[in-house]
Amino acid sequence: DQQVKQNSPSLSVQEGRISILNCDYTNSMFDYFLWYKKYPAEGPTFLISISSIKDKNEDGRFTVFLNKSAKHLSLHIVPSQPGDSAVYFCAATGANNLFFGTGTRLTVIP
Amino acid sequence: SAVISQKPSRDICQRGTSLTIQCQVDSQVTMMFWYRQQPGQSLTLIATANQGSEATYESGFVIDKFPISRPNLTFSTLTVSNMSPEDSSIYLCSVLASGFSYEQYFGPGTRLTVT
Repeated sequence: DQQVKQNSPSLSVQEGRISILNCDYTNSMFDYFLWYKKYPAEGPTFLISISSIKDKNEDGRFTVFLNKSAKHLSLHIVPSQPGDSAVYFCAATGANNLFFGTGTRLTVIP
Repeated sequence: SAVISQKPSRDICQRGTSLTIQCQVDSQVTMMFWYRQQPGQSLTLIATANQGSEATYESGFVIDKFPISRPNLTFSTLTVSNMSPEDSSIYLCSVLASGFSYEQYFGPGTRLTVT
């Protein structure tokens, strides 16, 4: 059973516009959420995270929002750049195990 | 940050054979993790490898199929045994960013195709 879901397998955005990647989870015991970015032939790299006690965390162009009542988090990238084109995974943890979504492929069009 | 390398980067193997994947970290770490990403699927944790003790396997994964070695604090191997086409995946090792962090650094992955 998939505890972390990314329902959009792909997303295309014009350069300079906002990219919004969404993630839903089912386990209310998760207490930490992370976003990873993955380029082809490379392993995932950590991007940004948020604790369950917060509803927003911002780091430069990247902002993660958490809506615990809806069990939903989103990653906003603004402005989007062509170098942001990658697969983005959200992940959640409540113990020692990281649960990953299936990823969303973001394409930023120049 | 930790720099992680994996060998081989990719391989094509015959059904019934075994492949050992190596993971090397540039710093000493207590815990190393092995993940699998099957086509179109999320990353799934196979096992956690601690130096000096047996690996801890997640539900659905067994030692006979995925034996793991952890001879020291910078190195680990994962063997995929008696392979079938269903084992075709990307296999990744990872380590914690720090002892008090949920963040993990990942290796580049090993793309395995079983024919």
